[in-house]
Amino acid sequence: NAGVTQTPKFRILKIGQSMTLQCTQDMNHNYMYWYRQDPGMGLKLIYYSVGAGITDKGEVPNGYNVSRSTTEDFPLRLELAAPSQTSVYFCASSYGAGVEETQYFGPGTRLLVL
Amino acid sequence: AQSVSQHNHHVILSEAASLELGCNYSYGGTVNLFWYVQYPGQHLQLLLKYFSGDPLVKGIKGFEAEFIKSKFSFNLRKPSVQWSDTAEYFCAVNGYSGTYKYIFGTGTRLKVLA
Repeated sequence: NAGVTQTPKFRILKIGQSMTLQCTQDMNHNYMYWYRQDPGMGLKLIYYSVGAGITDKGEVPNGYNVSRSTTEDFPLRLELAAPSQTSVYFCASSYGAGVEETQYFGPGTRLLVL
Repeated sequence: AQSVSQHNHHVILSEAASLELGCNYSYGGTVNLFWYVQYPGQHLQLLLKYFSGDPLVKGIKGFEAEFIKSKFSFNLRKPSVQWSDTAEYFCAVNGYSGTYKYIFGTGTRLKVLA
């Protein structure tokens, strides 16, 4: 199993540009998550999904959109990039919630918005 | 409001020293508790978790954590650290309190001197 994969690893965007961060997992996990990690701030949940076709907002959803058309994929879309979105983005997945909710993380995407 | 506090942001230890990283949480209802670790250049991975039962939980690489419900704490310990333990450590809490929450602390950077 590859686990959770993310592409790209690094990207530079200009203000106002858009892009999609890709996330794929091959563990047949129901739950998937997007976090951003900023220095000294820990991880903040952007969006999560409990299954194909079902998504919901996390703590910091503004400026982002997600979709979950398949179990495997959970792309994160930035429509109008802003400098405040400079961060490291992590995708994660878990089989379930509660006692099953060990999250497996991808390697991250480092995004710089100039 | 639900929150997770890690009071030590940076810790520097010599090899063979004992380690204790503090984690306190504020959360109504039943919680599940986690410690994740992020080694330099790697993605987050689970160190240990607590759901129920024995409040002293043992994880990988000689780490353990104790859940003290009365103190809302889940401190991470290791009797003798190694240089390879240099990493960032995150405490996390999940649970359902009206809506789904999975909250990470801000992290503690541990540097172990050889």
